Amino acid sequence: SQQGEEDPQALSIQEGENATMNCSYKTSINNLQWYRQNSGRGLVHLILIRSNEREKHSGRLRVTLDTSKKSSSLLITASRAADTASYFCATASSNSGYALNFGKGTSLLVTP
Amino acid sequence: NAGVTQTPKFQVLKTGQSMTLQCAQDMNHNSMYWYRQDPGMGLRLIYYSASEGTTDKGEVPNGYNVSRLNKREFSLRLESAAPSQTSVYFCASSESWSTDTQYFGPGTRLTVL
Repeated sequence: SQQGEEDPQALSIQEGENATMNCSYKTSINNLQWYRQNSGRGLVHLILIRSNEREKHSGRLRVTLDTSKKSSSLLITASRAADTASYFCATASSNSGYALNFGKGTSLLVTP
Repeated sequence: NAGVTQTPKFQVLKTGQSMTLQCAQDMNHNSMYWYRQDPGMGLRLIYYSASEGTTDKGEVPNGYNVSRLNKREFSLRLESAAPSQTSVYFCASSESWSTDTQYFGPGTRLTVL
């Protein structure tokens, strides 16, 4: 069953703007991961945040985790056309044997 | 390093035919996975192999079988393909079966007529 739910389903912005995607989940987790998928390609890991962490940065990416609200957000700053892709959150939980549960994704379009 | 490779990239089958999807990784990872991705559904786990010599069912195992041939290779077999198995199939690997980052192959696009 899919635990993570991304919001919005689709997002369209212009180059240079920031893009924010949210992920909500239902049960307690060990960590939450964000992946990117370019059209017709496999998923690429972006960032992993553990349940005892609140914020993590990687380049232009900033991820926050609020375990009390069971939610996470991914912020991409100064977006580029190359950021156009689908973004998925995936939760890992001992309740599910540590299998990753993927959400349905947010489709991001960055126009020049 | 090639990472995770999958063959074939595309396949069209008729209902009832069988086929095997191949996956190999060169990162010396212990754990490997097979997912399917359907439009609007995200990724769903079919089978996984936590370590060489073990395999276990995921969320949607019906109609599939797997073989962990060695540490590098993990194959997915459809014995009697059905239209409901039309999907994109992704193989992934990770260092261990826990909460590790997973590395994905490029996918196999399968159509069952």
